[in-house]
Amino acid sequence: DTGVSQDPRHKITKRGQNVTFRCDPISEHNRLYWYRQTLGQGPEFLTYFQNEAQLEKSRLLSDRFSAERPKGSFSTLEIQRTEQGDSAMYLCASSPASLAGFEQFFGPGTRLTVL
Amino acid sequence: DQQVKQNSPSLSVQEGRISILNCDYTNSMFDYFLWYKKYPAEGPTFLISISSIKDKNEDGRFTVFLNKSAKHLSLHIVPSQPGDSAVYFCAASEGAGTASKLTFGTGTRLQVTL
Repeated sequence: DTGVSQDPRHKITKRGQNVTFRCDPISEHNRLYWYRQTLGQGPEFLTYFQNEAQLEKSRLLSDRFSAERPKGSFSTLEIQRTEQGDSAMYLCASSPASLAGFEQFFGPGTRLTVL
Repeated sequence: DQQVKQNSPSLSVQEGRISILNCDYTNSMFDYFLWYKKYPAEGPTFLISISSIKDKNEDGRFTVFLNKSAKHLSLHIVPSQPGDSAVYFCAASEGAGTASKLTFGTGTRLQVTL
């Protein structure tokens, strides 16, 4: 399977704990995105990388959130001191460096539940 | 501020008939539009897209229409099949052909009945 993969698929944690999610994009894609989706809503943009450079961050990304893509391949999203409001599906997407079109390919997501 | 709106939370259509899903947007800077389909416990799957320089794009059973003056787009599925039952998201971006974040609507749940 050469699609976008995310790990773990599910995470249950207690309020105040730190969590880290991993995303492996499609291998030839140099762009990587993180989104968050809550019940009844569409995905909301969090942040975007081109290779290892983080080029844009949403105001949704508070200082408790940090994302990295150290070698321009996989990416991690860390949430520190989790709150119940962080409960959501965290989606990763990747896209190729092409000007011919622009489609993002999504992984299956990590569902976070904060108790 | 919901910049992309899907005002119909759900739609039920008989197998073989046409499904029409609608989407409105408010941001005039949007120039590239996409439709995604999402099954439970899976990430969104890309269906079809359209650039603002076009008013129609077709791919098999799926056709997207764009009305820029009305800031409205629609997805037509003909004929509808039971496997089309899913949640459909409309998304938009600025700067067609460049890397840009997607702004999604809230989705429409399509149910195709036998």
